[in-house]
Amino acid sequence: SQQGEEDPQALSIQEGENATMNCSYKTSINNLQWYRQNSGRGLVHLILIRSNEREKHSGRLRVTLDTSKKSSSLLITASRAADTASYFCATGMDSSYKLIFGSGTRLLVRP
Amino acid sequence: NAGVTQTPKFQVLKTGQSMTLQCAQDMNHEYMSWYRQDPGMGLRLIHYSVGAGITDQGEVPNGYNVSRSTTEDFPLRLLSAAPSQTSVYFCASSLRRVNYGYTFGSGTRLTVV
Repeated sequence: SQQGEEDPQALSIQEGENATMNCSYKTSINNLQWYRQNSGRGLVHLILIRSNEREKHSGRLRVTLDTSKKSSSLLITASRAADTASYFCATGMDSSYKLIFGSGTRLLVRP
Repeated sequence: NAGVTQTPKFQVLKTGQSMTLQCAQDMNHEYMSWYRQDPGMGLRLIHYSVGAGITDQGEVPNGYNVSRSTTEDFPLRLLSAAPSQTSVYFCASSLRRVNYGYTFGSGTRLTVV
């Protein structure tokens, strides 16, 4: 079964708007990561947040983590058409190096 | 260019045929893994390796074999292809550290007819 579940499954916004995607997971984690996948391509690592962190920023990306609710959110500010992609959360658990991925959010940014 | 290289990019197999999907990385990453991606199901872990000579099963290992004779290479073998193995396969690698991101290959799109 999937560890992480993204919400919404699909999101359509206008260029310049902010996009927010959510991820929920089931078990305790060491870290939570977000990846982007452009159509027909491999996944690209965006950002990693450790279990003892609550918020992290990278450029136009802002990630929050609430371990009490077992949830995370990814905010993309001032979106661009080039941000159109699928976004996946992935959880790293215990002392393993394994990542378990969610089913992703498809983001469409309309010019 | 440093990264993860997967070959072939596309493959069509007949049911019952066998083949090997190749994965190579030149970043000296100890950890390597194989995922399959099916529509609406995200990525599911098939097999992984924490170093040369060490492999283990993921969520969906049936029908697949792996070996890790060198740090650089991690091939995935389909023993007897079935239509249910039609998918996009991704190889990923990472340093053997807990809080570290993965580098993905560009994928192999496999169709079994």
